[in-house]
Amino acid sequence: QSALTQPASVSGSPGQSITISCTGTSSDVGSYNLVSWYQQHPGKAPKLMIYEVSKRPSGVSNRFSGSKSGNTASLTISGLQAEDEADYYCCSYAGSSTPVVFGGGTKLTVL
Amino acid sequence: QVQLVQSGAEVKKPGASVKVSCKASGYTFTSYGISWVRQAPGQGLEWMGWISAYNGNTNYAQKLQGRVTMTTDTSTSTAYMELRSLRSDDTAVYYCARVAQGLELLPLRYWGQGTLVTVSS
Repeated sequence: QSALTQPASVSGSPGQSITISCTGTSSDVGSYNLVSWYQQHPGKAPKLMIYEVSKRPSGVSNRFSGSKSGNTASLTISGLQAEDEADYYCCSYAGSSTPVVFGGGTKLTVL
Repeated sequence: QVQLVQSGAEVKKPGASVKVSCKASGYTFTSYGISWVRQAPGQGLEWMGWISAYNGNTNYAQKLQGRVTMTTDTSTSTAYMELRSLRSDDTAVYYCARVAQGLELLPLRYWGQGTLVTVSS
């Protein structure tokens, strides 16, 4: 069982917007603005898409945005494109013991 | 450009050890930490731990404490992850990753290509 909870799958049509949630606790997501999101295509290494809740690394499309409310973080992808079809993982700093935790991942299908 | 190149696939028997390498280039090795993340077949990402290439300080995931050791060789800009007492559920792709800035734990900005470790009798 993963430390952060994500829906197993989401889907949307090209051009639509989708949101993926990531629910943690007051010990991780709720306490730190250190949530990041990763995109992973089959057989490839993960790619950083969002960091520190809502910041985008250079080179990442502004169609990707992040937010947080309480213990839940969210990734929104607007103007869905076929190339967005991938697995998405959230990640948060969690303090001591095991300081980095991932969500179980969400498979995005572009219909 | 930042590159992390990992060693090749390994097949190990239960109870054995494996050591995966991650050779860094394109930046000052000792200015950053390296994290290790693994992914079992069809499963999600699991953070294993982190090592500072500056002073060798480590931070391991609690469930792997006692079985994992992370080291660096600054002369060759290479990080290593050794996992001992291998079990079948250690079968996974193992990734090294570098943070975006300094010696922080997150975010993981640059990733190696992954190394498949298969544990089978």
